[in-house]
Amino acid sequence: GAGVSQSPRYKVAKRGQDVALRCDPISGHVSLFWYQQALGQGPEFLTYFQNEAQLDKSGLPSDRFFAERPEGSVSTLKIQRTQQEDSAVYLCASSLESQVAQPQHFGDGTRLSIL
Amino acid sequence: KQEVTQIPAALSVPEGENLVLNCSFTDSAIYNLQWFRQDPGKGLTSLLLIQSSQREQTSGRLNASLDKSSGRSTLYIAASQPGDSATYLCAVRAGGFKTIFGAGTRLFVKA
Repeated sequence: GAGVSQSPRYKVAKRGQDVALRCDPISGHVSLFWYQQALGQGPEFLTYFQNEAQLDKSGLPSDRFFAERPEGSVSTLKIQRTQQEDSAVYLCASSLESQVAQPQHFGDGTRLSIL
Repeated sequence: KQEVTQIPAALSVPEGENLVLNCSFTDSAIYNLQWFRQDPGKGLTSLLLIQSSQREQTSGRLNASLDKSSGRSTLYIAASQPGDSATYLCAVRAGGFKTIFGAGTRLFVKA
């Protein structure tokens, strides 16, 4: 498809396990964003990539969260030693260029539940 | 610190009514403001993007205005339809690469 694709759509993990969430942005999009959305709230910024460079990771809540985009296309968000407060929907967005004039296109998200 | 507030938190209107959703932000130094729609279990769909130099944008039955100096934006929906039922989010792009979102307005349009 032509949109942003995220997998898996749903992930259930036990507390303490590591998880990896994948984002396939729209082909050719330079910018890639990760957000965390709690129930009933707006998305909160986690990190930003321009091609393969992670230019802003100020929103990552702890050092258990790690994101990469090694070839400037697909990105993975990894959470180590998961905790119950990590339960949320994780959204990925991409935009065509790095300029702020471009709208962000979102995937449907991964709903993460930590038991 | 930039904060974005949306009022009302929820709104229920009969079909055909015109309505206004409000968004306010605390720091007027923004690059742009974007309105999104989110359906349950889905990601966000971009509706309108207003650059900091612009005052409004229109798309079909939607019109969004921006008043940077007062830190406000409104989304006007004309002749609402049941299919408009969703959560509407506004977001501002300020310094750096962060986009700051409001908590959204949950809209229900009754047939």
